[in-house]
Amino acid sequence: EPEVTQTPSHQVTQMGQEVILRCVPISNHLYFYWYRQILGQKVEFLVSFYNNEISEKSEIFDDQFSVERPDGSNFTLKIRSTKLEDSAMYFCASSVDSGPGNTIYFGEGSWLTVV
Amino acid sequence: GNSVTQMEGPVTLSEEAFLTINCTYTATGYPSLFWYVQYPGEGLQLLLKATKADDKGSNKGFEATYRKETTSFHLEKGSVQVSDSAVYFCALFTGGGNKLTFGTGTQLKVEL
Repeated sequence: EPEVTQTPSHQVTQMGQEVILRCVPISNHLYFYWYRQILGQKVEFLVSFYNNEISEKSEIFDDQFSVERPDGSNFTLKIRSTKLEDSAMYFCASSVDSGPGNTIYFGEGSWLTVV
Repeated sequence: GNSVTQMEGPVTLSEEAFLTINCTYTATGYPSLFWYVQYPGEGLQLLLKATKADDKGSNKGFEATYRKETTSFHLEKGSVQVSDSAVYFCALFTGGGNKLTFGTGTQLKVEL
């Protein structure tokens, strides 16, 4: 079964450093997402991306965050200057469309630790 | 706005016990409803879904019925196994919002 793949699975970075998390969505999917889960808390929506532009973003997704689809297969999340509170599991996800009955498929996550 | 409320965990059961995890929601529009499961050390996996009122989603012995009148989507399983130990997330999706809204998750521990 096709799946969303994410790299790295775990990254430790120093506060203030830039981080890029990478994702390869399912190949025929057109909508891409990033979610995050701070340890012990709920999964939160960050951003959705369609047709090479952001379609929706949450309050969490401030100017420190950016997303990009640099080629036909990858979808990246960049955090420019990491803070301690950015430590979380970051999930990439994708879907075929955004209509009713749409199913969003998640990757296994990238665990980011900011020290 | 949209929100999902799940019962507090952890829920601890003996193997072969009956499981219910309550989930209620508020939503603008007509949402699709989902249960996702997160096994220890793994990512989110879709467990089941329902897209319209009275639909029943089912998978791996789990089932949930979309109840519009009570705005609920409770997860049930007749006989749990140790391997069902995980965190279960109820979520809703509305096409206009283009995003999933999750509940806080309910941890299930199944013991021998």
